[in-house]
Amino acid sequence: DGGITQSPKYLFRKEGQNVTLSCEQNLNHDAMYWYRQDPGQGLRLIYYSQIVNDFQKGDIAEGYSVSREKKESFPLTVTSAQKNPTAFYLCASGQAGQGGNYGYTFGSGTRLTVV
Amino acid sequence: RKEVEQDPGPFNVPEGATVAFNCTYSNSASQSFFWYRQDCRKEPKLLMSVYSSGNEDGRFTAQLNRASQYISLLIRDSKLSDSATYLCVVRGYGQNFVFGPGTRLSVLP
Repeated sequence: DGGITQSPKYLFRKEGQNVTLSCEQNLNHDAMYWYRQDPGQGLRLIYYSQIVNDFQKGDIAEGYSVSREKKESFPLTVTSAQKNPTAFYLCASGQAGQGGNYGYTFGSGTRLTVV
Repeated sequence: RKEVEQDPGPFNVPEGATVAFNCTYSNSASQSFFWYRQDCRKEPKLLMSVYSSGNEDGRFTAQLNRASQYISLLIRDSKLSDSATYLCVVRGYGQNFVFGPGTRLSVLP
């Protein structure tokens, strides 16, 4: 079955450490997205990519980095510059560009905690 | 003003009740509209797209009013399993999705 896989499900980061969250999709979607969700709050866009080898900053990109070397993969690195990284991170994929009623598909998320 | 606003909730309703959620959006150029459902500590899942003429999927009915920039979701005959947070999502042509903050629903036995 096609889907989008995030790993790990839970991740603990020490102060000053960089960590990388994995996101892989086999839906043949062009676009991939990273969101952050804090308790009781909505989703905020970190980075997105409409095509391989290209990506753009979202609303809260500071302290994060991404790469898009393959269509299927869009890993997110949470760097030590991100001062408050504890959150629920969601990866999504969808059809790029056009309008139309194509919803995003989400992975099951990674819950990151700073220890 | 936020791009997408929703009733804050929570909505606590008995089983079998009818409940309606409202959502307003600020970008008049928005073209695509959706309702997502998010269970506690899970990822959002697409509930339904919202079409200009309104659409229904079983117990769920979505309405769109472009003139008022308003979207609604009606749930009839509420089930315990409907308890979740409902996210209103809006997209402009060639734009990314914008998510509302969500409305929490608790259906009580």
